[in-house]
Amino acid sequence: DIQMTQSPSALSASIGDRVNITCRASQNITTSLHWYQHHPGKAPKLLIYTDSSLQSGVPSRFSGTGTGTDFTLTINGLQREDFATYYCQQSYRSPPWTFGQGTKVEIK
Amino acid sequence: EVQLVESGGGLVKPGGSLRLSCAASGFTFSSYTMNWVRQAPGKGLEWVASISDSGRSIYYADSVKGRFTISRDDAQDILILQMNSLRVEDTAVYYCARDGLVSTLYGCFVYWGQGTLVTVSS
Repeated sequence: DIQMTQSPSALSASIGDRVNITCRASQNITTSLHWYQHHPGKAPKLLIYTDSSLQSGVPSRFSGTGTGTDFTLTINGLQREDFATYYCQQSYRSPPWTFGQGTKVEIK
Repeated sequence: EVQLVESGGGLVKPGGSLRLSCAASGFTFSSYTMNWVRQAPGKGLEWVASISDSGRSIYYADSVKGRFTISRDDAQDILILQMNSLRVEDTAVYYCARDGLVSTLYGCFVYWGQGTLVTVSS
């Protein structure tokens, strides 16, 4: 199975900050990488699909880059509603699909 | 508007069974791969199972293989997860999620339900 490793596990940031979250796959997954935002008690929300495509309705301050094994989610200008947990997830070829362990973004 | 509404969660003893349902609306249910994803308390997201649009291709996580069965009723637009031989470690919020592309095993979860809590405890 493909293992996904996110870093950091948690970070503290202020409103307006630029935040980077990285995700590393245990093997080459080309661009089969998606990012989700999850607020406690809510449904997870797709932010970025296939490495860098912004899901409809998601603010442009979210962006994704990378290919192969190393990927980054960037939030440019953190807003209050962005404090949440973020997950990467791979969908290379066939299941099992796997998620990273999550990165919790907290208010500094 | 796409809607996914899970039901069927609850408290069950170890070794017991539970049947989860996910009622779908707002899209052509029969055209999409459907999935179950869970989150144990204090843990991250874990993919559980997928069923293709035709129902012919089914996949399970190793942690549930042989105990859980995913199925779909395209006449009623319902996704089902039959959970048998439940363990304490199956305690989680279970989410139903729709794949992103028509008639394709894509593995990108575009729409999610609100989840239903399953608690396995004696």
